[in-house]
Amino acid sequence: DTGVSQDPRHKITKRGQNVTFRCDPISEHNRLYWYRQTLGQGPEFLTYFQNEAQLEKSRLLSDRFSAERPKGSFSTLEIQRTEQGDSAMYLCASTRGLEQYFGPGTRLTVT
Amino acid sequence: TQLLEQSPQFLSIQEGENLTVYCNSSSVFSSLQWYRQEPGEGPVLLVTVVTGGEVKKLKRLTFQFGDARKDSSLHITAAQPGDTGLYLCAGLPISSSNTGKLIFGQGTTLQVKP
Repeated sequence: DTGVSQDPRHKITKRGQNVTFRCDPISEHNRLYWYRQTLGQGPEFLTYFQNEAQLEKSRLLSDRFSAERPKGSFSTLEIQRTEQGDSAMYLCASTRGLEQYFGPGTRLTVT
Repeated sequence: TQLLEQSPQFLSIQEGENLTVYCNSSSVFSSLQWYRQEPGEGPVLLVTVVTGGEVKKLKRLTFQFGDARKDSSLHITAAQPGDTGLYLCAGLPISSSNTGKLIFGQGTTLQVKP
């Protein structure tokens, strides 16, 4: 059990560019969650998957955001036409029960 | 909107002091989790409480879930500089039990000075 991993750890991009983040959950965890955390705040739910099915999306997830989990293992989160307001820490968590285990996060800075 | 109010937001204390962090809501939670987060890292799970009135201890940390499962507290005895970090409470509302969607408090930034 190597824990949840996320790549990249840091991403700096210019406004208007597209970015993609990857999350590798703990193996055999069937649920995967994406959260967004801004400075001084707790994480906010974005979306979650049960196996390969995306079951819920937050209103925070605008049309510029898309997430996939094609084979029920790793997941990707893509942000198109990034805006400065997208600057945040993007966290991934996985679980097969009650407790969610978080990855180290991807820190996105949009300039 | 379901909210978790966490207090205090900031706490700066001397090594050896005791402290309590509170997490309150008007919503009932099926479970509540406490996390600790270091700068630039993801939250690390400390404990999960599920039963009203439940008390769990983790070395110098004591966690309590309120009888009505609407609030929780974290008490640290004889704080050490290594306890410095952001403490987050996260509740699973009854209505979200099937989804596992957590609601987080704003966090408490704790600084323990040697």
